Formats: sequence, C-alpha cells, structure tokens
Amino acid sequence: TQLLEQSPQFLSIQEGENLTVYCNSSSVFSSLQWYRQEPGEGPVLLVTVVTGGEVKKLKRLTFQFGDARKDSSLHITAAQPGDTGLYLCAGGGEKLTFGTGTRLTIIP
Amino acid sequence: NAGVMQNPRHLVRRRGQEARLRCSPMKGHSHVYWYRQLPEEGLKFMVYLQKENIIDESGMPKERFSAEFPKEGPSILRIQQVVRGDSAAYFCASSPPRGGINQPQHFGDGTRLSIL
Repeated sequence: TQLLEQSPQFLSIQEGENLTVYCNSSSVFSSLQWYRQEPGEGPVLLVTVVTGGEVKKLKRLTFQFGDARKDSSLHITAAQPGDTGLYLCAGGGEKLTFGTGTRLTIIP
Repeated sequence: NAGVMQNPRHLVRRRGQEARLRCSPMKGHSHVYWYRQLPEEGLKFMVYLQKENIIDESGMPKERFSAEFPKEGPSILRIQQVVRGDSAAYFCASSPPRGGINQPQHFGDGTRLSIL
C-alpha cells in the first residue's frame, strides 16, 4: 500500500512570511499532483510533477519533486490570506493516493 | 471546479434507503473516478470507469455499492440500504483519455451524503 505523509499537519503564519510544506513516501510515484481544497468544495489541481528533480513555479508557489520521486515540497513566498486552505498531495496514475493534508492559515 | 458537475450537492437519506449520486465529466473527458472523504479523513479512491466499463473497483465496498458510466448520460454511484457509516463527501473526478501518460484528474465539488 502506498502512503503519503504530509507535514506539518497544521500551519498558521503571518501574512508576508515564507513557508514550506512536505509530502513524503517510501514508495516511488510515476507522478505527483498538488491540490488545494476549500471548505465545501472539491480539490483544485495546482500542478503535476513527473520528472525526478523537477521544479515548477506557479506565481508565488514553487513545487519540487524529489530526485527519487518519493517526495515533494511546496514552498510559498510572501504568503497572503488567499493562500489559506487545505493543501493535498496525491500520487499514482488512475488510482490516486492522497496525502494526509496540510491545513494552512495565513493571518492578516 | 465548474467543469466536473456533481449533483445533488447535498443528499439526506434515512437508514435503509438508496442514494444515487451523479457525475458529469468535463467536456472531452472519457474517464471518471469516484473518491470518498470521510469526516476528518483524507480522500480514498473507490472506483475508476470509462464509458460502459469498470476499469478498477478495488476501493469500493463489496456490498451495497455500485457504479456505472453509461454510453449516454452521467456516471452514477449507487449506494443501497444506506447506513450511518456511509455519511461522507463523495467526489467525482475526470480526466481525458490517458494515451499512455499520466493525465491529471479534475474534481467536482462533491456530494455530501448524510444518513439519518
């Protein structure tokens, strides 16, 4: 069974600060996706990483896929209140395995 | 999330009744996936379907649960004789034909099922 552990589970920081959240597994994934989920809504896809060592940027968000394709990180620069939400990593092909999630709160 | 349409958004059933959850994939997507999110838990895969075919149902309970994706119309997740433990948010996702590569899945806003 493939498992994805995310850390930290909860993170609360001031607006303008930087942060990094992590997604780790003992299994190799062919690809890994990051989603953000708001209360009462479905997960919204942010990015897909496929190649070991790959780095993708989405405005203030930087995603990295580990060289061995077992882990990933999401770094947010100058966090804003609009970044508040549940961040989920998910790996696999058709049958996605979701991580435990990081609940991020940005304090104005 | 507007691309993948799920309805109803909220569904209340009494124990023993049937629940039918519908999902219309994004335009051009022929693959549908169902996931369940129990309170305070993560999303868990249930079933993967293509038109008129169940590809992988390894995450679906063996009894009372069934899924279909007919040639015409939405995908249906059907739960018979519901019990309190079926209360959860059920999410549908869709993707384009895989073509041998990993295609990202796009999710609907879910159906929140409550069992009285």
